[in-house]
Amino acid sequence: QITLKESGPTLVKSTQTLTLTCTFSGFSFTTSGMGVGWIRQPAGKALEWLALIYWNDDKRYSASLKSRLTIIKDTSKDQVDLIMTNMDPVDTGTYYCARVNGGVSYGVMFLKWFDPWGQGTLVTVSS
Amino acid sequence: DIVLTQSPLSLPVTPGEPASISCRSSQSLLHTNAYNYLNWYLQKPGQSPQLLIYFGSDRASGVPDRFSASGSGTDFTLKISRVEAEDVGVYYCMQALQSPYTFGQGTKLEIK
Repeated sequence: QITLKESGPTLVKSTQTLTLTCTFSGFSFTTSGMGVGWIRQPAGKALEWLALIYWNDDKRYSASLKSRLTIIKDTSKDQVDLIMTNMDPVDTGTYYCARVNGGVSYGVMFLKWFDPWGQGTLVTVSS
Repeated sequence: DIVLTQSPLSLPVTPGEPASISCRSSQSLLHTNAYNYLNWYLQKPGQSPQLLIYFGSDRASGVPDRFSASGSGTDFTLKISRVEAEDVGVYYCMQALQSPYTFGQGTKLEIK
C-alpha cells in the first residue's frame, strides 16, 4: 500500500520561509521513474502544481514560483521537502504531496500522472 | 503554459442519469509516443484528489467502469454512464505533457 503524508507548520507569517515534509511509504526512490510532487489548493479554488523531484534527482518547478521554491529528497528517510521562501497571505491553502509516476525517454524524465495523493496540510499565512 | 478549459463548471445530475465533462487544451497533448498526456481526477468533498483516468482514456485501478474517457489532441471528454451519489465532487483534468503541469478550473458535480 502506498501512502504519503504532509507535515509542517500550519501558520507562518509574511516573508517567512515555509518548509513542508512529505513522508511516504510503499515505494522507493531506487525505482526508476518514481518521484514525488507538490500541488497546492487555495480554499475553494483549483489545483496548482508547484514542483516535483524524480528518483534520479531531476527536478521541475513551476515557472511562476521557481525563484521561491526548492525541492529536496532524502532517500534514506523516504522523505521529500518543499521549501518556499518569502511567504505571502496569497500562499494560504492546502498543500498536497503525491507520488509521481514517470518515465524516461531518450534520457529525459517525463511525468505520466500523480497517484496517490497525501491527505494534504493546511497552511495559513498571516500578515 | 498549456491552458485547460473545462465545461461546464457546474453540473447538477439526477442519480442514474449520464453526465459528461469537457476539457479543452490550448495545445495538443498528443506525445510522439502516441499517448495523450491528459489525466482526470476527482476530488470528493473534504478529500484529496484521486486519479480516475490517465493517458486520456485509461481507467486507473479500482475506478468503476461507469467512468469512461475519450479524446485526443486538444479535446477530451469524461463520461459517467449512470451517476451515483458517491460521484459528487469536483472533477479536474490535468496535462502531464510539459512543465509547468496545469489543471483545469474544475467541474463541480452535484446531485439534483
